[in-house]
Amino acid sequence: QQQVKQSPQSLIVQKGGISIINCAYENTAFDYFPWYQQFPGKGPALLIAIRPDVSEKKEGRFTISFNKSAKQFSLHIMDSQPGDSATYFCAASRVNKIIFGKGTRLHILP
Amino acid sequence: DAGVTQSPTHLIKTRGQQVTLRCSPKSGHDTVSWYQQALGQGPQFIFQYYEEEERQRGNFPDRFSGHQFPNYSSELNVNALLLGDSALYLCASSLEGGPWDNEQFFGPGTRLTVL
Repeated sequence: QQQVKQSPQSLIVQKGGISIINCAYENTAFDYFPWYQQFPGKGPALLIAIRPDVSEKKEGRFTISFNKSAKQFSLHIMDSQPGDSATYFCAASRVNKIIFGKGTRLHILP
Repeated sequence: DAGVTQSPTHLIKTRGQQVTLRCSPKSGHDTVSWYQQALGQGPQFIFQYYEEEERQRGNFPDRFSGHQFPNYSSELNVNALLLGDSALYLCASSLEGGPWDNEQFFGPGTRLTVL
């Protein structure tokens, strides 16, 4: 049973464009929704996170939009740069156990 | 301020052998979680240690065991290795009762190859 579904699997965006990655979850008990960025050969790095009582959170070029009733959340990367090319994972957590999506491979064209 | 560190970086074992991986949490953190990341997949939760006890476990067999030491560092042990155990093993640390106590910081991982 896949508790966190992530789409698309891969994404190609032009430099300066907006990258959008979507996730959906099933368990309404989740209370923490982080996004991680992972470069090849490295561990995941926490990018931004949100609690379900907030509908949007912005940090620099990264924004999480959260729809509690639809059980969906998304990551928007504004003004995407080649250095943003990486794999992005959405996740959901309850009592410290993090469930990850399968990841989105993002490639930003120069 | 050191982040999460893991050793070794890479490891090659043969089927049936046993392996021990090590993790030192981020300074000030007291909780350690272990994840297995197969190639092209998201990390999967193995278990979590707090106060030297395993307090949560994912869907992994008893061949996977761990330990947490009084200084909060941790070990992951895998017995009777299978080819399917080949993966990147990630350690993550967090602070129990912190403002974002779900917030976990990951180490660089140990790449285990089973031949």
